[in-house]
Amino acid sequence: IAGITQAPTSQILAAGRRMTLRCTQDMRHNAMYWYRQDLGLGLRLIHYSNTAGTTGKGEVPDGYSVSRANTDDFPLTLASAVPSQTSVYFCASSDQGGHTGELFFGEGSRLTVL
Amino acid sequence: GQNIDQPTEMTATEGAIVQINCTYQTSGFNGLFWYQQHAGEAPTFLSYNVLDGLEEKGRFSSFLSRSKGYSYLLLKELQMKDSASYLCAVRLTSGTYKYIFGTGTRLKVLA
Repeated sequence: IAGITQAPTSQILAAGRRMTLRCTQDMRHNAMYWYRQDLGLGLRLIHYSNTAGTTGKGEVPDGYSVSRANTDDFPLTLASAVPSQTSVYFCASSDQGGHTGELFFGEGSRLTVL
Repeated sequence: GQNIDQPTEMTATEGAIVQINCTYQTSGFNGLFWYQQHAGEAPTFLSYNVLDGLEEKGRFSSFLSRSKGYSYLLLKELQMKDSASYLCAVRLTSGTYKYIFGTGTRLKVLA
């Protein structure tokens, strides 16, 4: 089934550890995004990429990095995790040349930093 | 900065009609989106408006007024399965496409 796959689904991590959340899409969408979702704060954009080889900062980029080596993959790295990064992380993609360009979301990665 | 406002929570009765409002103040507007998110799940796309007016899709309709920075999502013939959060999002463009979300409206449908 075509779509977006995120891994891991859930992870508990000690503060100070490095963590990479993986995201792969098979829809050949040009744009990809990482959001975090926290109670009362909604979805906040961390980083985005409009095409392979380019990335940009969103609303809350500090403490996170991304890369876009190819169209399909968009990993999110926490270099040194802190408890405030405990959240649910959603990866999304969109076809910016399509009719509406709506976002398609992965199932989310629940991260707990202790 | 960007600002998108929605009510935090709404309650309605099965079979009724409910209107969820969204106001926005953003730069580089390039479309307004509504998503539905059930608890513990990913958001799914409901509707899209880029021009003023009403877009109808079955029991769901969405309205946009760009001059007022205002949109609403109208849900008719409410069903229990419509209990979910509804997220308003604006697509920005200033050379790149970014989507900024409101905090979402949690809708409870009562029997």
